[in-house]
Parts: sequence; structure tokens; C-alpha cells
Amino acid sequence: QVQLQVSGPGLVKPSETLSLTCAVSGYSISSDYYWGWIRQPPGKGLEWIGSMHHSGSTYYNPSLKSRVTMSIDTSKNQFSLKLTSATAAETAVYYCARHGVRGNWYFDLWGRGTLLTVSS
Amino acid sequence: QTVVTQEPSVSVSPGGTVTLTCGLSSGSVSTSHYPSWYQQTPGQAPRTLIYSTNTRSSGVPDRFSGSILGNKAALTITGAQAGDESDYYCVLFVGGGVDWVFGGGTKLTVL
Repeated sequence: QVQLQVSGPGLVKPSETLSLTCAVSGYSISSDYYWGWIRQPPGKGLEWIGSMHHSGSTYYNPSLKSRVTMSIDTSKNQFSLKLTSATAAETAVYYCARHGVRGNWYFDLWGRGTLLTVSS
Repeated sequence: QTVVTQEPSVSVSPGGTVTLTCGLSSGSVSTSHYPSWYQQTPGQAPRTLIYSTNTRSSGVPDRFSGSILGNKAALTITGAQAGDESDYYCVLFVGGGVDWVFGGGTKLTVL
């Protein structure tokens, strides 16, 4: 069974860098899928942050592009998110998810999500 | 900036049929946007319902169907049940590369 598990600090101070990792189990991250991040502020809707393929192909939400970096560690079968200059507005549940390529454009697998709070 | 629009809230009677829509702030939604739909209950991760406009994800009852209606993507639920009370999100694939835009979500009430 394929599972995605997000881990992170839970609390980040404003202006600091937000870092999260998504561990993938039951499936190779080197397969032909994109691995992505989506967030959801409390009581609000979903927002795509970015997606990355193990080949290195990476796409970011244009509104976040200047502050986002994603990376993949195939040896650990996990991928990561870094978002610099965090603000309180970025307090959200962060999900990792998988989506297909070449016509299979949809998120078929979601992790459980983790709440990350930006506060001093 | 691309904005995807959804009804903020919709209600349906038990056993009834309801259609939720997903539009673009400018232009029409087409199959080329690969519209997909997700159901989310409080505290849970989204669950994939429909992808590529009208393909049901594994295990999704055939009460849920997707289509293009006019210039919008649509999710239709027939025979609504109390358990269908959830938030429903559509997402469109809009980029020349990879670029996703979620709608604001529709809160469905069954009463």
C-alpha cells in the first residue's frame, strides 16, 4: 500500500524558513509521477505550492516561486519543501501528494497532512 | 492570474440530485484542463472522486459523475446521502508546464 507521510517542525517563527519532508512508502519516488505540495489555511481552501519529478523537472505556483524550493532524495525515497520568509498567513495544513504525467493530470494519492504554524 | 470559481455553498435534499460547477475567471473550462474533483471532510485529506473530466476514481460510487456543462466543469451527485456532506474542490491543469489552480471549494449540505 502506497503511503505518504509529512513531517516537519510544527512551529516556525515569522521570517524564518519553513521546511517539510514527505516520506513515500510502498512505491518508488523514481517512478514516472510528479510529487507535489498543497496547503490549506485553517478554514480555507486548497492551494497548490509546487510539483517535482525525480528527473529534476520542477514547477512552482507563480505566486510563491521566488520563495519555494523543492528537492527529491531518491536514496531515502522522500521529497522536501522549503519556503523562505514565512509569514503568519502561511499557517496551514501542508499536504504532500502525487500526480500523474502525460494526460494523467490529477492528484491520485494524498498524505494525511501536517499543521504548520507560523508564529513568534 | 487564473482564478477557478466554485459555488461557496450548495444544499440538496436526501435522495436528490445536485450539480456543482467549476469555472474560470476568464475563458471556458475544457477537457484540456483535465478537471478533477476532490471530496474533503473536516480533518481529513482530500479524496479523489473524478479525474480527466469524467473518470471516477477507484471505489467511487457511480452516484458521482463529472462532465463539462456549457463553459464549466461539473460534478453531479445523484441520490444524495447524508454522508455526502463535505467540501468539494475542483482543480484545473492550466499551465504550459505544470500549473494547478484549485477552486475555492463548495460546501455541500444534505438536508
